[in-house]
Amino acid sequence: GAVVSQHPSRVICKSGTSVKIECRSLDFQATTMFWYRQFPKQSLMLMATSNEGSKATYEQGVEKDKFLINHASLTLSTLTVTSAHPEDSSFYICSARRGQGNRESQPQHFGDGTRLSIL
Amino acid sequence: EDQVTQSPEALRLQEGESSSLNCSYTVSGLRGLFWYRQDPGKGPEFLFTLYSAGEEKEKERLKATLTKKESFLHITAPKPEDSATYLCAVGTWESSVSGGYQKVTFGTGTKLQVIP
Repeated sequence: GAVVSQHPSRVICKSGTSVKIECRSLDFQATTMFWYRQFPKQSLMLMATSNEGSKATYEQGVEKDKFLINHASLTLSTLTVTSAHPEDSSFYICSARRGQGNRESQPQHFGDGTRLSIL
Repeated sequence: EDQVTQSPEALRLQEGESSSLNCSYTVSGLRGLFWYRQDPGKGPEFLFTLYSAGEEKEKERLKATLTKKESFLHITAPKPEDSATYLCAVGTWESSVSGGYQKVTFGTGTKLQVIP
């Protein structure tokens, strides 16, 4: 159980293109989804947190107009990198988590990531 | 500020050589500690959740333990296929004007290499 599918796995495109990445929780309803960026040999950097039906919360330093997040349903969140440039090239990973209570934290379940290369 | 420190940064073991990875944490109000395994070019794979000191969880050659200040991931008789980066993360509850939310802080990981 707890399978998260992320698509596409790899994207290569020209500078100025907008790229959409999808993240789906296949066998559970995800109240919260997360988007991370990971640089080579570094740990995960949280970009934003999204709750179904509400606006995403972006981490400090992440441009909300550059990285558009939509969490329209309990099983789908999308990240759109708008007008991508070479410096946006990175490994983007989504995760999904079942509901949140204030007593016990629930684990996040991760997709397999999207390798984005902007030429 | 919540802090999660993993050690060592890298570990090289011979096949069959048991060892432990450490995750030390300083947080206010632990609500869960998570272990993940990440293979190169993949997203992290969930391994364990631990909620209270003294708790232990096992899966094949891996055993995770938790105290009030740290967690250990014990690897017994590792095999080359256990080679990966192991991430630790802690969950806490952050109060906010809207009630609160779960916050997760990740460590930087331990890169394990098991040599045949």
